[in-house]
Amino acid sequence: SYVLTQPPSVSVAPGQTARITCGGNNIGRRSVHWYQQKPGQAPVLVVYDDSDRPSGIPERFSGSNSGNTATLTVSRVEAGDEADYYCQVWDSTSDDAGVFGTGTKVTVL
Amino acid sequence: EVQLLESGGGLVQPGGSLRLSCAASGFTFSTYAMSWVRQAPGKGLEWVSTVSLSDTTTYYADSVKGRFTISRDNSKNTLYLQMSSLRAEDTAVYYCAKWIGGSSTSLDNWGQGTLVTVSS
Repeated sequence: SYVLTQPPSVSVAPGQTARITCGGNNIGRRSVHWYQQKPGQAPVLVVYDDSDRPSGIPERFSGSNSGNTATLTVSRVEAGDEADYYCQVWDSTSDDAGVFGTGTKVTVL
Repeated sequence: EVQLLESGGGLVQPGGSLRLSCAASGFTFSTYAMSWVRQAPGKGLEWVSTVSLSDTTTYYADSVKGRFTISRDNSKNTLYLQMSSLRAEDTAVYYCAKWIGGSSTSLDNWGQGTLVTVSS
């Protein structure tokens, strides 16, 4: 089965840029989606299809995907961005199945 | 406004069964694929199952295949997850989620979740 690997944690100062990676074999050939989850809340889609933003998501959230790594970039980080972030793909190469990354805890210093 | 409201969670003994429901509103339910995603306490997200918009095609994680059944009733705008032969490792918050539509495989709306606890 397809595996997505994320760093367990990322720390960033307010106003700086956070980059969260999602590694997978030839992930650049797949569409990657990103979710933000705050404690006790349901996940929220922040980027889909590598780099598109749902309505209501600030432009500070952006995504890219190439080779074996997809990246979610959060610019001008705010305290409210502190959350867990998960990448996700649909694996249709073997078994059709959803796959989530291991998750990254973003801490705003 | 899209709303997804899960129900049916609770405490169940190992080997038991439970049926989760997800009542949908605020969108044309029959035109979107739907999924269940779970999260064990303190752990990450795990995709569980997906059903196509017409209930004709279903997909399951290997961890639940043969034990869980996803279905939908488009006349009632409701998604279901029938869970049987439950194990302690099935303990989790179960979220229903709506696919964004088109060719994308992302989930753009999520319910607040219902907790399933498998314990004797």
